[in-house]
Amino acid sequence: GAVVSQHPSRVICKSGTSVKIECRSLDFQATTMFWYRQFPKQSLMLMATSNEGSKATYEQGVEKDKFLINHASLTLSTLTVTSAHPEDSSFYICSAQGTSGGGGVETQYFGPGTRLLVL
Amino acid sequence: RKEVEQDPGPFNVPEGATVAFNCTYSNSASQSFFWYRQDCRKEPKLLMSVYSSGNEDGRFTAQLNRASQYISLLIRDSKLSDSATYLCVVMRGGFKTIFGAGTRLFVKA
Repeated sequence: GAVVSQHPSRVICKSGTSVKIECRSLDFQATTMFWYRQFPKQSLMLMATSNEGSKATYEQGVEKDKFLINHASLTLSTLTVTSAHPEDSSFYICSAQGTSGGGGVETQYFGPGTRLLVL
Repeated sequence: RKEVEQDPGPFNVPEGATVAFNCTYSNSASQSFFWYRQDCRKEPKLLMSVYSSGNEDGRFTAQLNRASQYISLLIRDSKLSDSATYLCVVMRGGFKTIFGAGTRLFVKA
């Protein structure tokens, strides 16, 4: 299956600092990538859809000025959490749209996630 | 009402048991369906796609009933390693993907 990497895997930062998370599709080109957030024992929540070469589409309730998304190439999307606060502590996961199996069904492949802890 | 609904469980089953998970979706425009598996503190991983004709992958069988807007996953001969959260995922309108909240499975020796 398709491979998606995410970096860093874990980050601890002070309140007020900015954190950048990278998401890369390693063996395929992804015109569309997705950013999710997951709090403990809760389901994945889509934050935004990242489109290569254009502005990201944010879900309702997600502040675009706080969560900056850049999709500069077909293999890289970045999420920057600006002026992070303790309530931003969460598991951030990216995914990239790819094709599954011989049937060519489009599905999402996930990066390993980034655990953010804001002190 | 959530667009994709699953029984959160947990399901506690002994090794070797057969267990079934159900999922319902509310949007009839949904086009593609999947089961993902998520281990604790890990990212979701695609388990299998779900087709109207039903499909099987080893011990796992998935079924889709479009008329009832219902998806199921059957796991036979459960292994300890099957313990995880199983996510029902529905895709519609291009890239719009909706995740269920997941069903937790614990397989015990």
